[in-house]
Amino acid sequence: GQQVMQIPQYQHVQEGEDFTTYCNSSTTLSNIQWYKQRPGGHPVFLIQLVKSGEVKKQKRLTFQFGEAKKNSSLHITATQTTDVGTYFCAGRDYKLSFGAGTTVTVRA
Amino acid sequence: EAGVAQSPRYKIIEKRQSVAFWCNPISGHATLYWYQQILGQGPKLLIQFQNNGVVDDSQLPKDRFSAERLKGVDSTLKIQPAKLEDSAVYLCASSPHPETQYFGPGTRLLVL
Repeated sequence: GQQVMQIPQYQHVQEGEDFTTYCNSSTTLSNIQWYKQRPGGHPVFLIQLVKSGEVKKQKRLTFQFGEAKKNSSLHITATQTTDVGTYFCAGRDYKLSFGAGTTVTVRA
Repeated sequence: EAGVAQSPRYKIIEKRQSVAFWCNPISGHATLYWYQQILGQGPKLLIQFQNNGVVDDSQLPKDRFSAERLKGVDSTLKIQPAKLEDSAVYLCASSPHPETQYFGPGTRLLVL
């Protein structure tokens, strides 16, 4: 069955620095979604990518879908304390499967 | 626009007891999902409804878990009997189409 892997599991970032989290699927995806879950909260939809090689930006967040539609990345520039939380990717082949997430902490 | 409502927010039970969770999706959303999120893991889909029909329940442990959405609006998820490994957050989500999902606050279940 489909497996969605995310790396790294944890990301400790100095405030102001950039970082990237990666998502890899064992199968080709029709689309991929990204969610953010704050500590103690619930997942909140961030974005959906559909096209091969697609790149979308939301302020300091840049999302990319791989050419083969089997991987994706989320890059955050100039990290702020508000970026704290767990970022999940969810890939859809015949069903939507969530990765285990990258938990981000920020050093002020 | 009101969000997805879930109750209760917290529940503590002993193993072998029964428990039920309730979800009220965003008005007009035809698709409703129940997820199980174990601490440190991503949400795992248990069941997906389209209106009051089941689209996917392949990962629902049907020997102990059941779910219904009788009128195509509210939904209940039941566990009977509960096991220790059922301790998790149970998330309900809804969507106007099978893509973007809006999650509720979840029910945190602890089985002792």
